[in-house]
Amino acid sequence: EVQLMQSGAEVKKPGESLKISCKASGYSFSSYWIGWVRQMPGKGLEWMGIIYPGDSDITYSPSFQGQVTISADKSINTAYLQWSSLKASDTAMYYCARLLPPFDFWGQGTLVTVSS
Amino acid sequence: QSVLTQPPSVSAAPGQKVTISCSGSSSDIGNNFVSWYQQLPGTAPKLLIYGNNKRPSGIPDRFSGSKSGTSATLDITGLQTGDEADYYCGTWDSSLSAGRVFGGGTKLTVL
Repeated sequence: EVQLMQSGAEVKKPGESLKISCKASGYSFSSYWIGWVRQMPGKGLEWMGIIYPGDSDITYSPSFQGQVTISADKSINTAYLQWSSLKASDTAMYYCARLLPPFDFWGQGTLVTVSS
Repeated sequence: QSVLTQPPSVSAAPGQKVTISCSGSSSDIGNNFVSWYQQLPGTAPKLLIYGNNKRPSGIPDRFSGSKSGTSATLDITGLQTGDEADYYCGTWDSSLSAGRVFGGGTKLTVL
């Protein structure tokens, strides 16, 4: 059974750094792209970027290029999304999802709250 | 502003049929497969339709998808109260800023 298990909710202050994770199981992690999707409060889905864990090839959405860093560790079947300096506008739910394509399996989401 | 345009909301009575549209361009829907996702309140999105009109295992045939030119449609028949959710279309954008794109989402209310 394919599962994507995301790390827990985070509360951070503006300017702080953060790295959230997405641990995959039930399939060959290195062989499928994994994507990150943002959902701001009360808003729709926004594609942030994708990574191919097999060779760490990454494509960022132009809207998120330079704002976040996507990475993966295939030795532990885990993908990451990180920020070096959070802003209040980063407050959102973040989902990881396996890209078949399409995005066929989704994690449960990680809520990130950035507030002073 | 989403690349793909969906109506913000639709509604219908239980047992009825509803249609949700998704409009794009030649660089996205026009030349790529469309998928649809269902997001029940407080939960993660779930794949409903892929390849324009295919259903993953476990998705009832009350849900169907189609595509024509640069637009796609999700039909839901025999509406149930449990179908109340947000629905998103998605595809690939073949333009210079290539990547995955989603519609703005449509809230379905079952009256």
